[in-house]
Amino acid sequence: EVQLVESGGGLVQPGRSMKLSCAASGFTFSNYGMAWVRQAPTKGLEWVATISYDGSSTYYRDSVKGRFTISRDNAKSTLYLQMNSLRSEDTATYYCTSGRHFDYWGQGVMVTVSS
Amino acid sequence: DVVLTQTPPTLSATIGQSVSISCRSSQSLLHSNGNTYLNWLLQRPGQPPQLLIYLVSRLESGVPNRFSGSGSGTDFTLKISGVEAEDLGVYYCVQSTHAPTFGAGTKLELK
Repeated sequence: EVQLVESGGGLVQPGRSMKLSCAASGFTFSNYGMAWVRQAPTKGLEWVATISYDGSSTYYRDSVKGRFTISRDNAKSTLYLQMNSLRSEDTATYYCTSGRHFDYWGQGVMVTVSS
Repeated sequence: DVVLTQTPPTLSATIGQSVSISCRSSQSLLHSNGNTYLNWLLQRPGQPPQLLIYLVSRLESGVPNRFSGSGSGTDFTLKISGVEAEDLGVYYCVQSTHAPTFGAGTKLELK
């Protein structure tokens, strides 16, 4: 059974940092590009960042470029999102998802940016 | 950025009714490799999204065949042939031909 389990969320003050993790199992993680997608409360889905299967290429939406870093450890089957200089508008549930087709999704982790 | 416009924003249906959702793109979604990376997702209340259809019309494993997708270029449609209660939720189109973008969603509710 495929599982994506996010962790690391919570309440953080504006300007501070937070690192999300996504532990994958049940599929060959190293064969898949991976992405983070977020959903602000009561809003729609928004792509955040993508990383290639081997970590050699990364892509970001403009609003997080220079602040967020996506990375992966294929030996640990784990995806990461380092978020720096957090803003209130980054408040959302963050999902990790796999592949170009967004095949598999985790349950999501809530990040609240507030003083 | 590619803008995906979904219509209608809300859809009221009875059980057994057939419905369609439109997704129109501001740019062609035909990739230079010949694929069109347009997918459909369903997000049930309180749940993460799940993939229904990928590459315009390919049914994801385990998804009932009452769901079907069609279209090309900039115009795409998701059809549900005989709505069931478990189909209620918000449907999103998403493209990954370019930097990924999502439609705003179509909420399917019971009439």
